[in-house]
Amino acid sequence: GQQLNQSPQSMFIQEGEDVSMNCTSSSIFNTWLWYKQEPGEGPVLLIALYKAGELTSNGRLTAQFGITRKDSFLNISASIPSDVGIYFCAGGGSNYKLTFGKGTLLTVNP
Amino acid sequence: DVKVTQSSRYLVKRTGEKVFLECVQDMDHENMFWYRQDPGLGLRLIYFSYDVKMKEKGDIPEGYSVSREKKERFSLILESASTNQTSMYLCASSPLRAPGGYGYTFGSGTRLTVV
Repeated sequence: GQQLNQSPQSMFIQEGEDVSMNCTSSSIFNTWLWYKQEPGEGPVLLIALYKAGELTSNGRLTAQFGITRKDSFLNISASIPSDVGIYFCAGGGSNYKLTFGKGTLLTVNP
Repeated sequence: DVKVTQSSRYLVKRTGEKVFLECVQDMDHENMFWYRQDPGLGLRLIYFSYDVKMKEKGDIPEGYSVSREKKERFSLILESASTNQTSMYLCASSPLRAPGGYGYTFGSGTRLTVV
């Protein structure tokens, strides 16, 4: 199936630092989504992007839908301890199935 | 608040047992999905269903089957559990007419250990 390359695999940062992660694909997607999974829970949708070039914010989170439709990034500003978790990107095509990245494990040291 | 509910958070089963993982959604979604999640491998699709009694294989269907007798319920069945099926299992649902547009709503997961 389609593959998404998500990087980095893991990040260890200090509280207050900014974070950036991204996903790339060899295929074009119509939608990009970013999920966060906290320990012991299922992934929860953070941001959905529907248009190439779109830049969307949700509090301290900002995500962009790449202009080529083959990539997306997520930034977290001024990280706090509750930002810890696994962040997944997902691409949506012409059908109803999503393709997921392998996730970025974020650890924030207080 | 809309929900996807997985019946068990933790399960411990013996090798060779038949295991049922249940998932119920209250959003009237047509699509339902079962994933397994393993460290370093991300989310891998086992099976999905886009309608009652309809099912399609995902990327790793071997050793699993599914049942969807009612729209709101999607069951994952491990016919004969093996230790390599120890994993976190996640159920998700989405509306049918949403070509990747609305994303999935996930359950909280079932952590299955096969001993």
